[in-house]
Amino acid sequence: SQQGEEDPQALSIQEGENATMNCSYKTSINNLQWYRQNSGRGLVHLILIRSNEREKHSGRLRVTLDTSKKSSSLLITASRAADTASYFCATVDSNYQLIWGAGTKLIIKP
Amino acid sequence: SQTIHQWPATLVQPVGSPLSLECTVEGTSNPNLYWYRQAAGRGLQLLFYSVGIGQISSEVPQNLSASRPQDRQFILSSKKLLLSDSGFYLCAWTKAREGAWSNQPQHFGDGTRLSIL
Repeated sequence: SQQGEEDPQALSIQEGENATMNCSYKTSINNLQWYRQNSGRGLVHLILIRSNEREKHSGRLRVTLDTSKKSSSLLITASRAADTASYFCATVDSNYQLIWGAGTKLIIKP
Repeated sequence: SQTIHQWPATLVQPVGSPLSLECTVEGTSNPNLYWYRQAAGRGLQLLFYSVGIGQISSEVPQNLSASRPQDRQFILSSKKLLLSDSGFYLCAWTKAREGAWSNQPQHFGDGTRLSIL
């Protein structure tokens, strides 16, 4: 079953603006991962954040994790047209089960 | 470097026909392998995973089966396709660690778009 939920389901912003997507989950986790999927392609791993970490950066990406609220956010700064894609969170719970959210569809308008 | 290949990229099959999708990984040994299905606009549903040759775990009872005849080859099959088998099928791998699930990221192929008529 899919317990991760991304919010919003869809997001449309102007190029250059920041994009923030959220992920909520229900069980305790081992780690949380964010992936990007371009239309009709496979998923590409972006960032993995462990349950004992609160924030992680990779280039223009910033991921935060709040285990008390069971939520994570993915921030993309200075968005580009190439960032247009669907973004998924996946949680690895204490039983090492991988649980995927339904994704946020991000559209960057030129 | 490691690569993963899936084929075919697209497939149109009539109801009741058989299915065979293939996935191979190069550049790594003894990977954990996964088959997912993704409905349009949705997240991923895990179908099968494998931690070694001949070792298959099924997550969802269904019309499909999986096999791992070689270390880096993972095959998804069906004897008789149903309309509900339509979807986007993705193969993925992770580095071998203890158990199937780990703190390793998953690496995906480009998927097979399966349409059942």
